[in-house]
Amino acid sequence: GDSVTQMEGPVTLSEEAFLTINCTYTATGYPSLFWYVQYPGEGLQLLLKATKADDKGSNKGFEATYRKETTSFHLEKGSVQVSDSAVYFCALSVRGGGADGLTFGKGTHLIIQP
Amino acid sequence: GAVVSQHPSWVICKSGTSVKIECRSLDFQATTMFWYRQFPKQSLMLMATSNEGSKATYEQGVEKDKFLINHASLTLSTLTVTSAHPEDSSFYICSARGSGVDTQYFGPGTRLTVL
Repeated sequence: GDSVTQMEGPVTLSEEAFLTINCTYTATGYPSLFWYVQYPGEGLQLLLKATKADDKGSNKGFEATYRKETTSFHLEKGSVQVSDSAVYFCALSVRGGGADGLTFGKGTHLIIQP
Repeated sequence: GAVVSQHPSWVICKSGTSVKIECRSLDFQATTMFWYRQFPKQSLMLMATSNEGSKATYEQGVEKDKFLINHASLTLSTLTVTSAHPEDSSFYICSARGSGVDTQYFGPGTRLTVL
């Protein structure tokens, strides 16, 4: 079946450090890929997405590139801030561009220290 | 942005009782709503998909007679956990999607504890 594997945290970084959160997937079809973020006490929010190979999703300084050859969608940010502290979920959808149910990774708790 | 609420945010009940969780889209019409379940340190698992006015579609392994889903209006879906048992204790999260939109908007979740 479909699955998403992402690095487990917590990941602790200093402010202005470079961030990479790895995400790989297996899917029976041609999936759309997503990163969601969950801030403390809030619901999941879509951070960025990519719907086909080599697409790059970007938002708020975060980027991720859909790599079909390595079945990966790693999340990166050049300089993190304390406000980026949250839980990040990688997810996929194989039945449409996010229109149907999502398969999630376990989530990565990111802690940014001043 | 679009807002989805859930009520209650947490609930404690006795084994054998039923619990209803509401999911509301506050500022848009949700033609499709999804229900997920999350165990501690685990990923969200899709339980079912519901379209307004239709019966819900359940994922494999999810008991439809135990987890009753109703999506009677474009702004409200409910999940009823019937005859709850301690193993049903979990974090339940809903999401909603509007017509012609491919983005799901998530509620903050409901923590269910069954004693």
